[in-house]
Amino acid sequence: KNEVEQSPQNLTAQEGEFITINCSYSVGISALHWLQQHPGGGIVSLFMLSSGKKKHGRLIATINIQEKHSSLHITASHPRDSAVYICAVRGQKLVFGQGTRLTINP
Amino acid sequence: GAGVSQSPSNKVTEKGKDVELRCDPISGHTALYWYRQRLGQGLEFLIYFQGNSAPDKSGLPSDRFSAERTGESVSTLTIQRTQQEDSAVYLCASSLGARPGANVLTFGAGSRLTVL
Repeated sequence: KNEVEQSPQNLTAQEGEFITINCSYSVGISALHWLQQHPGGGIVSLFMLSSGKKKHGRLIATINIQEKHSSLHITASHPRDSAVYICAVRGQKLVFGQGTRLTINP
Repeated sequence: GAGVSQSPSNKVTEKGKDVELRCDPISGHTALYWYRQRLGQGLEFLIYFQGNSAPDKSGLPSDRFSAERTGESVSTLTIQRTQQEDSAVYLCASSLGARPGANVLTFGAGSRLTVL
């Protein structure tokens, strides 16, 4: 079993829909990162969380330390949100989920 | 510099040759990570440097892989006797501060390695 599991692996939605991507982990962590990788390959750090909730524009990230679970939400999704979203947890080392490929259709 | 700089951006090499990939982190960032991403796959941790502490090499896939970092500056990832399965994008990231996980990661654009 992977230390970090993301779901779903692939998600296709229509513009405007509310999107949720989930990340579960099995190790003790000091922080969790949500990353965005665009089709060109560039990676951008979206959030770093150690507790609670963070919001940036249409993006919201939450983490429940007791349940070892984090979610990334996108409100009013747009085709430019199409990317791979990656969860990474920092325990002894940084471990990545396999990513969720999100496609938003106009 | 303003961001994390990696070179070369693309490298094509023959099987068996050695390659060296360079990462220039953001000035003042004490933490530096190397990852790789094979085609269609997720990110794979390779090695982590934090200040002057001994690096975390637990992700290096074989003894053909090694990395060095001089102080808190440039890092070099060396792959000896390259194999076709080494073909991947090698990504470097850096972050500020000594506390693991305490800071946002900034990624470089990556070095795409193709081993023929």
